[in-house]
Amino acid sequence: GAGVSQSPRYKVTKRGQDVALRCDPISGHVSLYWYRQALGQGPEFLTYFNYEAQQDKSGLPNDRFSAERPEGSISTLTIQRTEQRDSAMYRCASSHQRGGYTFGSGTRLTVV
Amino acid sequence: DAKTTQPNSMESNEEEPVHLPCNHSTISGTDYIHWYRQLPSQGPEYVIHGLTSNVNNRMASLAIAEDRKSSTLILHRATLRDAAVYYCILRDVLSPRGGKLIFGQGTELSVKP
Repeated sequence: GAGVSQSPRYKVTKRGQDVALRCDPISGHVSLYWYRQALGQGPEFLTYFNYEAQQDKSGLPNDRFSAERPEGSISTLTIQRTEQRDSAMYRCASSHQRGGYTFGSGTRLTVV
Repeated sequence: DAKTTQPNSMESNEEEPVHLPCNHSTISGTDYIHWYRQLPSQGPEYVIHGLTSNVNNRMASLAIAEDRKSSTLILHRATLRDAAVYYCILRDVLSPRGGKLIFGQGTELSVKP
C-alpha cells in the first residue's frame, strides 16, 4: 500500500480482555517498529523486526505484551489481560533497513 | 543509546527562518543524526537525517557541527503548518540493536502569524 496501515483505529476493551493490534507496513519495507505514546509524551519504543525476525523487544513493558511478524510483512501486537495503564496510542512504523521511518495513524486503545 | 538535548520549546514568527538546536556530545562515529516532527494529533514524520555533511531537502536543512557534538535543524521560512514537536534522535544502524529510534521530549515549536 501507499502508507502504513493500522487497524483498528480505535479500540475500547474491558480490563482483563486480550487485544490484537494490526500493522500493515509499506510493501518492501524490511523493518517494522512498534511504539506507544501517552498524551503529551514522545513515542516510547516497544519492539522491532527485520523481516520476520524480532531484533529487539527490550521495550515491551512485561510479558503480557508480545508481537509477531510471521511472514515478514503484517505484524500483530498482542496485549493479554489488559489493564487500564495499557491505554495509549499504539503506533507502528516501517522503513528500509537504514532509511527514514514512515508511521501509521495509530490505534487508540482505551481499557475501561 | 547516545542522548540528545533540546530546548523544551521555541517560538517563531511566520515567514521567518527557524533554527532548532540539538546537543549530542556523546555521539559515536556510527551515529546518524535524525530529525522527526509530530504535528498535533498525527504520527511522527521524518524530516531529515545526516552523518557528517550538511544536508538539504525540500522540508529543511540540517547543519552538523564539525565535531558532530551538535546540530541544527533549519526551517527556512516557517509557516503555521510547521508548528509541531521536533525530535532530534541519534541512530546507530551498525549496532545489532541500533535500528530503533529512541524519542526524547523534543522541542515544541509554536509559530505566530
